[in-house]
Amino acid sequence: EAAVTQSPRNKVTVTGGNVTLSCRQTNSHNYMYWYRQDTGHGLRLIHYSYGAGNLQIGDVPDGYKATRTTQEDFFLLLELASPSQTSLYFCASTGGTYEQYFGPGTRLTVL
Amino acid sequence: GDSVTQTEGQVALSEEDFLTIHCNYSASGYPTLFWYVQYPGEGPQLLFRASRDKEKGSSRGFEATYDKGTTSFHLRKASVQESDSAVYYCALRPSSSSFSKLVFGQGTSLSVVP
Repeated sequence: EAAVTQSPRNKVTVTGGNVTLSCRQTNSHNYMYWYRQDTGHGLRLIHYSYGAGNLQIGDVPDGYKATRTTQEDFFLLLELASPSQTSLYFCASTGGTYEQYFGPGTRLTVL
Repeated sequence: GDSVTQTEGQVALSEEDFLTIHCNYSASGYPTLFWYVQYPGEGPQLLFRASRDKEKGSSRGFEATYDKGTTSFHLRKASVQESDSAVYYCALRPSSSSFSKLVFGQGTSLSVVP
């Protein structure tokens, strides 16, 4: 069974704060993704990666950085968090069958 | 660019009602189409997919047929249950994409009451 884990599950920070969201997958998948989920917008792709050291820009990248340190680990970085980045963030992975396996999500609140 | 439109933002039904959630897409060629379901407190999970015109995908009593003529992939279920309450996403993978990237619709929140 595919396994994608995210940490933390909940995070509260202040405007201008520095936040790192973590994602790990144990499926040996090549592709990993970061999405944000907002009412009325569905799932929007922030960044994605093919493998360690690879990074591709998604559809809503402004204000976000990401880094893929290993095949298993993909991090999303908010260096100057803003209230507009309050959202539910999902990480996902896929091994090429095009089925994406999602983690449980991280709820981020920026005050 | 490629896009997916779900007409209904929220749907409220009673158990045993018939469900239709409309999904229309805009993409060139033959994209692969998906339905994902997201239960409360969880991440989305694949319900089923279809890759060719007239192909029917189905799972757990849900079904949808790929229709290139109307660029649609509507989700249907004959008799919904309270346990079907969830958010449903239609998505596509562009046929021209060399990367495993999906485009999602806005999502439809289904609420089923006993």
